[in-house]
Amino acid sequence: GAVVSQHPSRVICKSGTSVKIECRSLDFQATTMFWYRQFPKQSLMLMATSNEGSKATYEQGVEKDKFLINHASLTLSTLTVTSAHPEDSSFYICSAREGVDGYTFGSGTRLTVV
Amino acid sequence: GQNIDQPTEMTATEGAIVQINCTYQTSGFNGLFWYQQHAGEAPTFLSYNVLDGLEEKGRFSSFLSRSKGYSYLLLKELQMKDSASYLCAVRDYQLIWGAGTKLIIKP
Repeated sequence: GAVVSQHPSRVICKSGTSVKIECRSLDFQATTMFWYRQFPKQSLMLMATSNEGSKATYEQGVEKDKFLINHASLTLSTLTVTSAHPEDSSFYICSAREGVDGYTFGSGTRLTVV
Repeated sequence: GQNIDQPTEMTATEGAIVQINCTYQTSGFNGLFWYQQHAGEAPTFLSYNVLDGLEEKGRFSSFLSRSKGYSYLLLKELQMKDSASYLCAVRDYQLIWGAGTKLIIKP
């Protein structure tokens, strides 16, 4: 089946630094990828939808200058958390749409900002 | 508005059957998904319903009634490894997620 590789799985960074998270579709082309964040004991919250070759569409309340999304190829999307702060600590998960009905998730990235 | 409701938590016994309900109110409907999520991990796909009726996959079954805005996930022969959160999601033009149901399995 479809596989989405996400890394790093865990990252600890200092406040004020930037962190890049990669999401790759390994055996299919993903024209659309989704980025979610999830706080403990809460559901997934969609941050943005990225389409290959165009600007990402951000959900209301998500700062596009803070969460930079690049979807430069059909198999790679990246999320960069810029000038990270402790409140950005969360579980970030990417998802890629395969075909009409399939959504495959990456394994997630646990970000801790200290 | 868009709304998906599921129970926050359920408890069941190993070997038993449990039904997790999901009701939704969305402006559009293009399918309903069930996902399983273990703590600290990404969700994994369980089922997809777009037409009314029951879809069976091994120990797991999912039912949909579009007229009632209702779905359930049925888990049979419960195992300890089934302890997880179960997320209901409806696709409108994007996926709308329920808050998830934490299922606790007791021996």
